[in-house]
Amino acid sequence: GAGVSQSPSNKVTEKGKDVELRCDPISGHTALYWYRQRLGQGLEFLIYFQGNSAPDKSGLPSDRFSAERTGESVSTLTIQRTQQEDSAVYLCASGRSSYEQYFGPGTRLTVT
Amino acid sequence: ELKVEQNPLFLSMQEGKNYTIYCNYSTTSDRLYWYRQDPGKSLESLFVLLSNGAVKQEGRLMASLDTKARLSTLHITAAVHDLSATYFCAVDFNAGNMLTFGGGTRLMVKP
Repeated sequence: GAGVSQSPSNKVTEKGKDVELRCDPISGHTALYWYRQRLGQGLEFLIYFQGNSAPDKSGLPSDRFSAERTGESVSTLTIQRTQQEDSAVYLCASGRSSYEQYFGPGTRLTVT
Repeated sequence: ELKVEQNPLFLSMQEGKNYTIYCNYSTTSDRLYWYRQDPGKSLESLFVLLSNGAVKQEGRLMASLDTKARLSTLHITAAVHDLSATYFCAVDFNAGNMLTFGGGTRLMVKP
C-alpha cells in the first residue's frame, strides 16, 4: 500500500525566504511526527501531532518554525525567513499508535 | 537530559565476520527501535523492542534490550555487503510522543 509521502523531495531556497514542506501520512494514521536530520547526524525531533492537535511543540528550534495538520491527514511544516542552518533533510513519520513510526522519504532543504 | 549514544560511529568489517553495535540511553524506557538508512534514503524499521529481555532476529541481524542496563545491542552475524548502511537506534522516553535518536553507526562491509 501507499506509504508516507513528502513533497517537494528537494527544495533550494534563498536565505530569508519562507518555505512550506508537506507530508501526506498513511491513511488512517492518527499520529504524525516531524524530524530534522542534518548531514551525517541522527534525527532531531521537531513536533508531534495526535489527530490535528500538537501536544508537544518543544522540539521546534525557533519561532520561525510552525506546523499544522488538517483533517487528521496532511501536515505542513513552515519555516519563515530561512537561515543557512536550516539546511537539512526534513523527515515525516506517521503511525496508528505510539508503537510505530513509518518514515517518509524526506525533503532535502538547501538554503543558499 | 534525554540522551541516546551509539558506538561505534563507524564500522568497517569484512564479509563473513561478526560484530555488535551498542546503544546506551540515559533514563528509563522500555521501548527501543532500530532503523536502517541507506544513503539518500529514508529510514526503514528493523526492530521494535518493547520489554526487558526482548530479543528479535531477522536474517543476519539480532537485536536485544536490557532495560536495567539501559542498553540495546544489534548483533551482525556473518556480514554481507548488502548490510552496508547506517543503523540508528531510537528510544521512546515519552510514551509515544517522540523518539530520541542516537547518532547512528555507519557500517561498511567489504568483500
